Order: sequence, then structure tokens, then C-alpha cells
Amino acid sequence: GENVEQHPSTLSVQEGDSAVIKCTYSDSASNYFPWYKQELGKRPQLIIDIRSNVGEKKDQRIAVTLNKTAKHFSLHITETQPEDSAVYFCAAMVGVTGGGNKLTFGTGTQLKVEL
Amino acid sequence: NAGVTQTPKFRILKIGQSMTLQCTQDMNHNYMYWYRQDPGMGLKLIYYSVGAGITDKGEVPNGYNVSRSTTEDFPLRLELAAPSQTSVYFCASTRYGGYQETQYFGPGTRLLVL
Repeated sequence: GENVEQHPSTLSVQEGDSAVIKCTYSDSASNYFPWYKQELGKRPQLIIDIRSNVGEKKDQRIAVTLNKTAKHFSLHITETQPEDSAVYFCAAMVGVTGGGNKLTFGTGTQLKVEL
Repeated sequence: NAGVTQTPKFRILKIGQSMTLQCTQDMNHNYMYWYRQDPGMGLKLIYYSVGAGITDKGEVPNGYNVSRSTTEDFPLRLELAAPSQTSVYFCASTRYGGYQETQYFGPGTRLLVL
């Protein structure tokens, strides 16, 4: 099955700096890579996603890059703000026998933006 | 739309007790999923359903059962609660099966087994 590894597990940056979180996946059939932000005690919320036919996607301060050959993808947050502090999860989606698609999640990155 | 709703929000169980975690969505989504999230970890898939009457196992199905009698509801059943099932449980749904499609998560149920 799919295996997703995520690094680093914790990341501390100064306000205004950039943050980068990296993930690798094992199944070359994976075709969709969402990123979720989870605040303490809340549900995961999608912040950006990228499909396998795209190499990069940007949404304001957030960008995601995908390297299919190397099977890795990264989240980039620029001009970080205190409200960016949360746990971030990457995930990879692959089709399953019988229909449907399954998401496999990374173990998360605790991002702390310090004033 | 309320989206994906879950009840209860929090529950304490004794070892060996049983309970049902409820999940309902009002978006007419065909595909529904149950995940568990252990402290400091990502989400792991327990069971999923591609439509009413059809369910299948995910990564960690042992100790759980599901049913899907309607499009809207996808309850998760714990028959003999064990401390290892202490976790936060999230239900999610997608409309067309999730092919390059976002999953919408419910607010979660926090379960403590003592």
C-alpha cells in the first residue's frame, strides 16, 4: 500500500520567514496530493492541493510543488504569520479496487510561528 | 448545508463496552470514510463506503464495524472497547469517489477508553 513520509515533525520560524514542509510517497499510481491544516481540537481543513499533471500551484502565500519522478511534494508558506501556527498534514491519493480512492496521510508537522 | 456532522463530540467508555459513532452528511455525497487520529499522528483509514449498501476495510479495521443503509448516514460501531481505541475519530465524505477530489471532514468524536 501507499506510504507517505513527512518531514520535519516540528518546525519553528520567525514571523515573516518562509516555512517548507516536505513529503515523499511510495506508490507511483498516486494522483492527487492535498495539504491539510489542523488547529488544536479542530478538524483537518484543506488549504491547497495539487494534481499529478501539475508541477506547481500557488495560492497567495501558500504554494505546493510536485516532483513525480522523485515521488516527493512540498508545501511552501511565505511571509509566515502567527495564525499559520498549526499542524500540517500532507496526503497522497490512490485508486482502490472496487471503486473509490483512498488518502494516505503523513504524520504531520507542528509549525510554530514566533513573534 | 450542515456538511458532515458527527455525534457525540466526546465519550468515555469502559473496557468491553460498546458504542456507535454517528456520522451524517447532507451534501448527497456517495463516498464516506472513517479515520482515526492518535495523538501526534496522522489520520488512518478504518473503513470506507462507495455508496449505500457497500462498505470496505481500510488500513486499521480490526475492532470496528460499519454499515451504510442510506446515502446520508455512515455509523461506526465499536463492539468491545479497548484502551487501544482511545483516539479522535473523523468521518469524511466526497461526492464522486474522491478522484482528485477534496474530502470534507466532520468535527470529530473524541473517545477515551478506560
